[in-house]
Amino acid sequence: RKEVEQDPGPFNVPEGATVAFNCTYSNSASQSFFWYRQDCRKEPKLLMSVYSSGNEDGRFTAQLNRASQYISLLIRDSKLSDSATYLCVARLKAAGNKLTFGGGTRVLVKP
Amino acid sequence: GAVVSQHPSWVICKSGTSVKIECRSLDFQATTMFWYRQFPKQSLMLMATSNEGSKATYEQGVEKDKFLINHASLTLSTLTVTSAHPEDSSFYICSARWPFSYEQYFGPGTRLTVT
Repeated sequence: RKEVEQDPGPFNVPEGATVAFNCTYSNSASQSFFWYRQDCRKEPKLLMSVYSSGNEDGRFTAQLNRASQYISLLIRDSKLSDSATYLCVARLKAAGNKLTFGGGTRVLVKP
Repeated sequence: GAVVSQHPSWVICKSGTSVKIECRSLDFQATTMFWYRQFPKQSLMLMATSNEGSKATYEQGVEKDKFLINHASLTLSTLTVTSAHPEDSSFYICSARWPFSYEQYFGPGTRLTVT
């Protein structure tokens, strides 16, 4: 079982719509989480950290559910520029604070 | 914001030669940098953790004698792929950890093609 699992998608989203997707992690001792976005053939860019109480950054909302071991990302009012692969990332202190990346969820926003 | 540069952005080399990739944190000091590799349509795989002034820590299955890492200053880490083979062709990405944080900021990556 992968440590961090994501639905690869693609999620085809009409422009202006809301899309949400989850990521599950296998190690309950994982301590912090992040969402990165990666455009085709580019490096990942930090989108947001995920806090236990949930957090919002503009049109993006991240939630953490420790009981069920999943993280979610919701994008409101989708823009064409939101088309990308979204990477879910977990940090495990016991593993030297390394970041473990999920395989990514591809989102395609269409006019 | 955090800026990490990487050089070169792409390189083509012949089998058997060595290639050096540089990773620099431009606006902050990074005691820890990371080297990842990403094959097409796959996620990032951590190769090694580079700590300034000490030896790098390699992930299981990554040959330390083949992938030489040097982190000689707080703003520069280098990865040298020695005796490159076509199967080493990949997208190599470095990242630097923001001070007093676990957030990592990535360089733009180096696309290596070994012929």
